Amino acid sequence: EAGVAQSPRYKIIEKRQSVAFWCNPISGHATLYWYQQILGQGPKLLIQFQNNGVVDDSQLPKDRFSAERLKGVDSTLKIQPAKLEDSAVYLCASSPTSNEQFFGPGTRLTVL
Amino acid sequence: AQSVTQLDSQVPVFEEAPVELRCNYSSSVSVYLFWYVQYPNQGLQLLLKYLSGSTLVKGINGFEAEFNKSQTSFHLRKPSVHISDTAEYFCAVRNSGYSTLTFGKGTMLLVSP
Repeated sequence: EAGVAQSPRYKIIEKRQSVAFWCNPISGHATLYWYQQILGQGPKLLIQFQNNGVVDDSQLPKDRFSAERLKGVDSTLKIQPAKLEDSAVYLCASSPTSNEQFFGPGTRLTVL
Repeated sequence: AQSVTQLDSQVPVFEEAPVELRCNYSSSVSVYLFWYVQYPNQGLQLLLKYLSGSTLVKGINGFEAEFNKSQTSFHLRKPSVHISDTAEYFCAVRNSGYSTLTFGKGTMLLVSP
């Protein structure tokens, strides 16, 4: 069974630039999550989708972050414009139920 | 609101020695508890989970954890570690009626020969 795919794996941008991350969840998983993991901390949930609807986006900085999940499958997370403090690993996870989440390898973002 | 405290940021240990990684949580309702492992430049992999039933939970790679409701703890143990166990370990909690996970800050397990 293929795992959660994410791209790119690494991205370096200058502050105030825009960036987008892509996630392809495990086939059949209805729930998709985006997490932000800052160095030295645990992952923090940014947004949770159930199919193509948003379940929880309470911790998403909506003035600069946006996410969508078209057709309830793939998802993209965008940052516009990026700030230095957005440097982190962005993890995508998917789950068939609420009891286990399967994580992708993450995208490491460096903002200079 | 729920929270997770991992008291040790780093735990150095020699190969074949036992190890315990500590995790305490706070929540006003029933919880489900998880331990994840993260190897360098990889995503998180589930080690084990407690949903209900026996308070001693066995996971992959020889790890086990014990849920202690009175002490609000879910410590992870392994009787004999290998070099390959070097990684970061995250404890996570979620309320039984809600699917959002709250993670601790992680404990780096450093196994040396």
